[in-house]
Amino acid sequence: AQSVTQLDSHVSVSEGTPVLLRCNYSSSYSPSLFWYVQHPNKGLQLLLKYTSAATLVKGINGFEAEFKKSETSFHLTKPSAHMSDAAEYFCVVSDPSGTYKYIFGTGTRLKVLA
Amino acid sequence: ETGVTQSPTHLIKTRGQQVTLRCSSQSGHNTVSWYQQALGQGPQFIFQYYREEENGRGNFPPRFSGLQFPNYSSELNVNALELDDSALYLCASSQDRWTEAFFGQGTRLTVV
Repeated sequence: AQSVTQLDSHVSVSEGTPVLLRCNYSSSYSPSLFWYVQHPNKGLQLLLKYTSAATLVKGINGFEAEFKKSETSFHLTKPSAHMSDAAEYFCVVSDPSGTYKYIFGTGTRLKVLA
Repeated sequence: ETGVTQSPTHLIKTRGQQVTLRCSSQSGHNTVSWYQQALGQGPQFIFQYYREEENGRGNFPPRFSGLQFPNYSSELNVNALELDDSALYLCASSQDRWTEAFFGQGTRLTVV
């Protein structure tokens, strides 16, 4: 069965410092992995996706993630946080058994301090 | 090209009532999935429609039902509303079952 575990429920960083949001996955297949962001009272916006091509994936707004099969991890990083990055972030694995439904982690709330 | 749109954005219902939520999929997309996001949690898969047929269902009771129309728009119906049904309901459409999903803004349902 597919699952994702987001290791931190809350992360606080100062503006201009690096961001690291951690995600481990479990999958019986070669996984498709995603990071989504959700701003307050908004829907979900795709940041980036991994679908078995390059292991370092670049996304929007300066975010990137590295797929590490040996560590079953897909951590999200950004070199320099901006105030507008404050939001909830979800790591997602796609279940390929028929529906390709998304299985979400519990989310990490990122707070950016001025 | 329009994105995924959901209506209404907010609604309040009384326990025991029925509700219908609507979703217009992105142009060219034949797959619609519905998710329930309770407060402080990640979205949970309700079901998926592919070319007007239900293609899979999560761990939700039968009082959650849906439809997909020939234009690939979709409805989510919930009967006999319970207080725990209060949540953000998200619709996602994709070009096909295995391609990335694009989410709407959601419908915030409050059951009182």
